[in-house]
Amino acid sequence: GQNIDQPTEMTATEGAIVQINCTYQTSGFNGLFWYQQHAGEAPTFLSYNVLDGLEEKGRFSSFLSRSKGYSYLLLKELQMKDSASYLCAVMDSNYQLIWGAGTKLIIKP
Amino acid sequence: GAVVSQHPSRVICKSGTSVKIECRSLDFQATTMFWYRQFPKQSLMLMATSNEGSKATYEQGVEKDKFLINHASLTLSTLTVTSAHPEDSSFYICSARGTSDQETQYFGPGTRLLVL
Repeated sequence: GQNIDQPTEMTATEGAIVQINCTYQTSGFNGLFWYQQHAGEAPTFLSYNVLDGLEEKGRFSSFLSRSKGYSYLLLKELQMKDSASYLCAVMDSNYQLIWGAGTKLIIKP
Repeated sequence: GAVVSQHPSRVICKSGTSVKIECRSLDFQATTMFWYRQFPKQSLMLMATSNEGSKATYEQGVEKDKFLINHASLTLSTLTVTSAHPEDSSFYICSARGTSDQETQYFGPGTRLLVL
């Protein structure tokens, strides 16, 4: 079956760095997405990786290794507003999104 | 974990026809379901929120007469795109929130609509 795994919850300190991991097993691969979702709001697109390597976008970076079925989202210089859920989703060979359950990130002062 | 399914996964239709998309929560009861649309590499745009047994709440700019939502049971919500036009071509994603966990949304795999 198809499966996306990511930690349920993580806690980090303001100003620090946190890495949220995502592993996947899907039938085919057409890219991996990371979204940020604040409570009560729609998910916001953060990144899309389809090739191996690191994509940097400001304080956020996303890494992909297709051979390992692995991705991570790296958040630097954490701010209180980064407290949110982070969703990993993989698009399979049928262009369907397979969603992870999301990682709730709690930032402490 | 909680599973949400959508049917169909993709549909191609002619301009002017209506298309119905189903969203089902397979192993939990969903008091609230959300309908989103997404353009490539963009954020999900919330279209409407539907609560079981009551009328859906539409976001500003979303035509409720064009995007008909029915949430008749705790496991099924439907979105009907009426008189579809090419600009309605998009990726439609639903999510469901269970009765026991009010914080977590479970997302469906999406329905790709292409209107010719």
